[in-house]
Amino acid sequence: EPEVTQTPSHQVTQMGQEVILRCVPISNHLYFYWYRQILGQKVEFLVSFYNNEISEKSEIFDDQFSVERPDGSNFTLKIRSTKLEDSAMYFCASSEVWNTEAFFGQGTRLTVV
Amino acid sequence: GIQVEQSPPDLILQEGANSTLRCNFSDSVNNLQWFHQNPWGQLINLFYIPSGTKQNGRLSATTVATERYSLLYISSSQTTDSGVYFCAARAPMNRDDKIIFGKGTRLHILP
Repeated sequence: EPEVTQTPSHQVTQMGQEVILRCVPISNHLYFYWYRQILGQKVEFLVSFYNNEISEKSEIFDDQFSVERPDGSNFTLKIRSTKLEDSAMYFCASSEVWNTEAFFGQGTRLTVV
Repeated sequence: GIQVEQSPPDLILQEGANSTLRCNFSDSVNNLQWFHQNPWGQLINLFYIPSGTKQNGRLSATTVATERYSLLYISSSQTTDSGVYFCAARAPMNRDDKIIFGKGTRLHILP
């Protein structure tokens, strides 16, 4: 069964460093998303991406964040200068068409020290 | 945007018991999903159920869109069912494409 895959599963980084979280969405899907979950809290929307551009972003997704689809298969989330409060589980998701079932990856646990 | 409320926030049951988890949403939705977050933090798709009833083994879900709620039933609970159950919804027919998650129900199944 096709699935969304994320790498790495766990990343530890020093405050102020740049990190890139990687995702491979399901191959025929057109809509891509990033979500995050701070430990013990709810899953929050960060950004949606379609047709090589951001279609929507939340207030969390400030200038420190960027997304890119560098080739036909990968979808990345970059955090330019990490802060302690960026420590969270980051989930990538994809859906085939707009407003249909979204499939989530297994997550990347980011720890900023 | 829509609000998604889940109840109860916590539920402790003995193995073998049945449970019902509820999800209320503030507006009509076009898209309703249930997820299980396992102890390793992974989000597992359980059901995509904008309306009607679906069953998968010991789990079933019902969404009554006109009354703005969805229910997840777990029968004959096992310890592996422990974790957090989230429902998530999307509003219909607007530019808002984001899924809104509820705060989840934390389920503990005791052996």
